[in-house]
This record gives sequence, C-alpha cells and structure tokens, in this order.
Amino acid sequence: KNEVEQSPQNLTAQEGEFITINCSYSVGISALHWLQQHPGGGIVSLFMLSSGKKKHGRLIATINIQEKHSSLHITASHPRDSAVYICAVAAYTGTASKLTFGTGTRLQVTL
Amino acid sequence: GAGVSQSPSNKVTEKGKDVELRCDPISGHTALYWYRQSLGQGLEFLIYFQGNSAPDKSGLPSDRFSAERTGGSVSTLTIQRTQQEDSAVYLCASSLLGGRRETQYFGPGTRLLVL
Repeated sequence: KNEVEQSPQNLTAQEGEFITINCSYSVGISALHWLQQHPGGGIVSLFMLSSGKKKHGRLIATINIQEKHSSLHITASHPRDSAVYICAVAAYTGTASKLTFGTGTRLQVTL
Repeated sequence: GAGVSQSPSNKVTEKGKDVELRCDPISGHTALYWYRQSLGQGLEFLIYFQGNSAPDKSGLPSDRFSAERTGGSVSTLTIQRTQQEDSAVYLCASSLLGGRRETQYFGPGTRLLVL
C-alpha cells in the first residue's frame, strides 16, 4: 500500500462543476502539499497545509490531521483547471523536508 | 526574480553514456531537491542538499546516480552508464531554509530519453 493515496485517479467534469480530490496518507507528516502539473510538465505549488483550511481564489484545501486525510476543492471549475493534481506529504528530517507523492489525479474540465 | 532553472530541457542519449543535468535554485534558497518522474509513475525523491549538512542520498536508485552542489548554489545530477529505465523527467526544486513547513519551488524539469 502506498504511503499516499489519491482518489479519483481520473476525473472529468463540466465547466462550472464543484470538484473534490481526496488524499489519504499513512505516515506522520510535518505538512501536506497540493501541487498542480499542467501538460508540458511544469509543477506549481498550490497549497502547503499543516492544519485546518486554506483558500486561494476558487481553490480550497483542507486537512484533518487525526484522520490523515486532505481534500482539494475547486469551485466553479473551468477548462483552464485541467491538469494533474498531486498530493505530497512532507517528512521533516531535521535538516530538510522530504516529499512523498501521490500518483496524481488527472482532471479534465470540458465546456 | 528568476525561478528555479534547469538545463538542458531535453536530453537524448545512448545507452551506456554518462549525462549531467544542471539545476540553478532560486537565489538565497539553501535547500535543493532532486526528484524523478518516470512515464506512468509518480514523482519520487532522489536526493536533497541543505546548507552545509551532508546530503540525503537515500532516494538515489543506484550507484550510477550521483549529485553535487557547489558553493551552496548550483547542483549537478550525474547519471553514469545510462540505462533505458533511466528515461524520465528529472525535476529540481528549492526552498528557502528546508524547514518543516515550506513551499518548494519546482523547476521546469529535464526530459531525459535513453535510447
């Protein structure tokens, strides 16, 4: 079993739909990251969470430390949101944070 | 105000040859990470450098892989005697201090193809 599990693996939505991507992890973490990877490969950090909830524009990320679960929500989805969304958990080693990644959720938003 | 840069952006090599991949982190960032994304697989950690601490090499898949960071800035990932399974996108990231709750900033990656 992977240390970081994401669901769903693939998701197709129509423009305007509310989208939820889930991430569960089985190890202790110092933080959880949500990343976005567009076709062409560039990775952008969306959120870094250690507790509670964060919001940026139409994106909302939540984390429940006790349940070892995080969700990424996209409100009023748009075709430009089409990308792979990756959950990554950080383990702090005392000198730096090592990331372990989920396999990603491929989102396609259609008109 | 440049971000993380990597070179080359693409590299095609023949099996058995050595390759060097370069990463320029964001200026002032003391932590530098290398990751690999193989086709059909997720991202995996390879190695990190933080300041003057010994690098964490625990993710390097074999002794053909090595990395160095000179002067606390630029890093080079070297793959010796490349194999076809080394074909992947190699990503570099940096963060300010390597702290427990820091954003990592990713470079555009080097796409390596071993023929």
